[in-house]
Amino acid sequence: SQQGEEDPQALSIQEGENATMNCSYKTSINNLQWYRQNSGRGLVHLILIRSNEREKHSGRLRVTLDTSKKSSSLLITASRAADTASYFCATDAKTAKGTGKLIFGQGTTLQVKP
Amino acid sequence: GAVVSQHPSRVICKSGTSVKIECRSLDFQATTMFWYRQFPKQSLMLMATSNEGSKATYEQGVEKDKFLINHASLTLSTLTVTSAHPEDSSFYICSAEHQETQYFGPGTRLLVL
Repeated sequence: SQQGEEDPQALSIQEGENATMNCSYKTSINNLQWYRQNSGRGLVHLILIRSNEREKHSGRLRVTLDTSKKSSSLLITASRAADTASYFCATDAKTAKGTGKLIFGQGTTLQVKP
Repeated sequence: GAVVSQHPSRVICKSGTSVKIECRSLDFQATTMFWYRQFPKQSLMLMATSNEGSKATYEQGVEKDKFLINHASLTLSTLTVTSAHPEDSSFYICSAEHQETQYFGPGTRLLVL
């Protein structure tokens, strides 16, 4: 079952602006990952943040994780038209068997207008 | 590195036929692969975990006799949709884990007429 919720569901911004997407989850996790999906395509891995990390950067991406609130955010700075895509968070839940399957959030559809 | 391929990328079949989808890890070995299904404008739903050399683990509500999974080698998992019906039309995506990260294939769009 899906355990992640993302908001907003849709976001439309102008090129150059920042985009922030939020993700909440329900169970304890080993790590949380963010993915991008262009329409009708596969998923591209963006960034992984472990449960003992609070913030991580990769280029124009900044991810935060608050395990006490069971939430994460993805910030894309200085957005570009090419950033237009759907963004999903996915949690690797802690289980007795260790890491493995990912549970995906509902996703945020981002449109960056040129 | 860490590339996952899927074949075919798109398939159209008649109702009642079976369709096989392949998922390959091209530059790494994967003892575990995962199969997801995605309906239009929706998120990914995990269908099953494919384990090399053993039976797949299916998520609740997924019919194991309808979605046959075989993971015969460390680089190949196959999903066979048996006796496909129009409601099986969907986007099927596989993933394989490499160094804590899951890498996804490009997906297979199945249309059952």
